[in-house]
Amino acid sequence: GENVEQHPSTLSVQEGDSAVIKCTYSDSASNYFPWYKQELGKGPQLIIDIRSNVGEKKDQRIAVTLNKTAKHFSLHITETQPEDSAVYFCAASRYSSASKIIFGSGTRLSIRP
Amino acid sequence: DTAVSQTPKYLVTQMGNDKSIKCEQNLGHDTMYWYKQDSKKFLKIMFSYNNKELIINETVPNRFSPKSPDKAHLNLHINSLELGDSAVYFCASSQAVRDRGHEQYFGPGTRLTVT
Repeated sequence: GENVEQHPSTLSVQEGDSAVIKCTYSDSASNYFPWYKQELGKGPQLIIDIRSNVGEKKDQRIAVTLNKTAKHFSLHITETQPEDSAVYFCAASRYSSASKIIFGSGTRLSIRP
Repeated sequence: DTAVSQTPKYLVTQMGNDKSIKCEQNLGHDTMYWYKQDSKKFLKIMFSYNNKELIINETVPNRFSPKSPDKAHLNLHINSLELGDSAVYFCASSQAVRDRGHEQYFGPGTRLTVT
């Protein structure tokens, strides 16, 4: 079945440094790749997404890259701040609402002051 | 203005009881979902409804029964609760846009504890 693997499961970086989270997916028909941030006691919230016709997308301090050939995609956070501490999920799906979004297992990111 | 709301936020109950969780979205979306998040934070889809029609039904015990009275509501009823049902349950909604994927908006979650 469809699967999304996410690494690392925990990540601790010094404030101001960069953080990188990597994911791989198994369904070659996936064409939509969102990233969600979940803060303590809250529901996941979309922070950025990328579609299969794009290799890279940037929004201020966060960027995502997608390698469809290798079925890899990554989240990059630069100049990390304390408020970046959260659990991050990658996901993969097809465009249709009838398709499931398959989530990765999550990365707990901690920013050290 | 809450986009996706769930009630209750916390639910503590004993094994064998029947309970319901309610979800409402005011975004005008046509698709709603239920997810289960276990203690290790794994997020797993349980059900999805599109325009009140069940479109995704994962391998979930039939003690779990979703009900969608209209597009804006998706409730989850659980019969004969078991210890393993303890988790955080998230409702979400989305609106598919042709060839663009569909951002899901999540509710705040319902923490269910079965004792």
